[in-house]
Amino acid sequence: KNQVEQSPQSLIILEGKNCTLQCNYTVSPFSNLRWYKQDTGRGPVSLTIMTFSENTKSNGRYTATLDADTKQSSLHITASQLSDSASYICVVSRMDSSYKLIFGSGTRLLVRP
Amino acid sequence: NAGVTQTPKFRILKIGQSMTLQCTQDMNHNYMYWYRQDPGMGLKLIYYSVGAGITDKGEVPNGYNVSRSTTEDFPLRLELAAPSQTSVYFCASGTGQNNQPQHFGDGTRLSIL
Repeated sequence: KNQVEQSPQSLIILEGKNCTLQCNYTVSPFSNLRWYKQDTGRGPVSLTIMTFSENTKSNGRYTATLDADTKQSSLHITASQLSDSASYICVVSRMDSSYKLIFGSGTRLLVRP
Repeated sequence: NAGVTQTPKFRILKIGQSMTLQCTQDMNHNYMYWYRQDPGMGLKLIYYSVGAGITDKGEVPNGYNVSRSTTEDFPLRLELAAPSQTSVYFCASGTGQNNQPQHFGDGTRLSIL
């Protein structure tokens, strides 16, 4: 069954600290993996998209990694800011239907001053 | 830069009532999607369209209908509202290309009482 599992479900960190969010998937055949940020009351916004040949991709203070062999990805946030408080959603697409996405349930991050 | 616009933002319906959720995009994207997001769950695909005049069922289509008469608009119709349809509904659009993100609206929060 095609699934995307994220951990932890929620996380609280202090402003300025780093954190890492995890994503494991069992989607096959794999096409690409995406990370989205969803602010409260808003729609998801794309952070990164990685294909199986890409190990790392950065977007400002956000760095995503992908290990296609172990089917794991992580999103590392450096020097967190209050505006990083949001849900972070891992999304995987299949090679045979790349526009049909499989969504994880997200990690809710709260950054405290 | 409007992107994907959804209306209304909030709505309360009584069981058995009907309504249409509106979605319009100004990016000339061929692909459009409707998702629902339930608490603690990943987004689920309801219906999608690969171009004007073409629609297809997603993962959870029961109780919904769609139409796509223009590239810009993709309304979602609930014919007989049921409490199980209480959710947040997101419309998205994209190019359908493998390495391109989907762009989401800010959602419609729907309660069926």
